Amino acid sequence: SAVISQKPSRDICQRGTSLTIQCQVDSQVTMMFWYRQQPGQSLTLIATANQGSEATYESGFVIDKFPISRPNLTFSTLTVSNMSPEDSSIYLCSVPRHTNTGELFFGEGSRLTVL
Amino acid sequence: AQSVTQLDSQVPVFEEAPVELRCNYSSSVSVYLFWYVQYPNQGLQLLLKYLSGSTLVKGINGFEAEFNKSQTSFHLRKPSVHISDTAEYFCAVRNNAGNMLTFGGGTRLMVKP
Repeated sequence: SAVISQKPSRDICQRGTSLTIQCQVDSQVTMMFWYRQQPGQSLTLIATANQGSEATYESGFVIDKFPISRPNLTFSTLTVSNMSPEDSSIYLCSVPRHTNTGELFFGEGSRLTVL
Repeated sequence: AQSVTQLDSQVPVFEEAPVELRCNYSSSVSVYLFWYVQYPNQGLQLLLKYLSGSTLVKGINGFEAEFNKSQTSFHLRKPSVHISDTAEYFCAVRNNAGNMLTFGGGTRLMVKP
């Protein structure tokens, strides 16, 4: 089973600032996923990050707001830019457990509160 | 496109009582189905999965779920719950044509003493 470490685990941010979340996996993975979980809601996929190519964003999410880096097969970052209170959420990094079944391992999440 | 509906946003239940958390999905192709649990302030953990074969699948912590293709359901059950089962439970689906998981809205299970 993969071990996923996310930093920061939580943060309180000021409106208009940006924050970068790091995701480190203990094994090499081709695909990494970034999810958002708004308060009291389910998980919504933000984007899929593949090493060596641009991230693929889901409808409603854009690169300017959520730039993603994927410099190697064990690491990715998600930046939440120009934050507003509506960006207060838990951001979760995940990787496939088995590529042919879709099971995912999840990090513990990064809980952001924007004031 | 696929979607997942969890009919109950909250389920209160007394300790040692049975519980069923309902999940219905829609998809035009065959699917893989999952239940995840999220304990307070933690990430998601896989409870169980249906890929193929027997429609009754058993997971961790005494949970089981039954895949019903005709009713497009994958309800989660436990015959006797514990206080420690208090958590958010998410049903998720992936079709066999893609990699993306689609999650339901979640059901908060609240076990009372």
